[in-house]
Amino acid sequence: GQQLNQSPQSMFIQEGEDVSMNCTSSSIFNTWLWYKQDPGEGPVLLIALYKAGELTSNGRLTAQFGITRKDSFLNISASIPSDVGIYFCAGALIQGAQKLVFGQGTRLTINP
Amino acid sequence: NAGVMQNPRHLVRRRGQEARLRCSPMKGHSHVYWYRQLPEEGLKFMVYLQKENIIDESGMPKERFSAEFPKEGPSILRIQQVVRGDSAAYFCASSPMGQSYGYTFGSGTRLTVV
Repeated sequence: GQQLNQSPQSMFIQEGEDVSMNCTSSSIFNTWLWYKQDPGEGPVLLIALYKAGELTSNGRLTAQFGITRKDSFLNISASIPSDVGIYFCAGALIQGAQKLVFGQGTRLTINP
Repeated sequence: NAGVMQNPRHLVRRRGQEARLRCSPMKGHSHVYWYRQLPEEGLKFMVYLQKENIIDESGMPKERFSAEFPKEGPSILRIQQVVRGDSAAYFCASSPMGQSYGYTFGSGTRLTVV
């Protein structure tokens, strides 16, 4: 089935550093989403992308929908302790489709 | 203004027992989705339901698993004769119409089979 490869699997950074993570696929996705999951909780939507090439920001977060429709990246600038968690990319094969395919996640740890 | 409510938060079952997981969607949402998350993995789609209808169950195991979303009451994910491999976090999400970017996830039910 469809798979999203997310990298890196984990990151250990200092507070204040910028973070970059990405997601790639062998299939074309027409919607890309980025979620954050805190321990013991469900994923929370951070950014949604609907058009190839689209660059969208949400505060310190910026995400891009790759031109080939097979990749996306998420950047976090000036990290703070509450950014700790697991970040997941997710894609929908058909825009507006109900079924999402999730990546394996990037676990972010921040040293104060 | 409650979000998606899942209960119980934690459920322990012995092998062979039945597990029932409940999901009450957000007010005004008529579409429900169930996902399963194994430890250290991403979420895997299981089933998409509207009121009284199963729309897409392509991610549901063929045996022992069933889901419903009745006209009244919460959506139920039922796992019969649980096995150790069913231990996972089960998340429910809801949306006001069939759109993936409209998902709101609940906090999940952590099922442990002993």
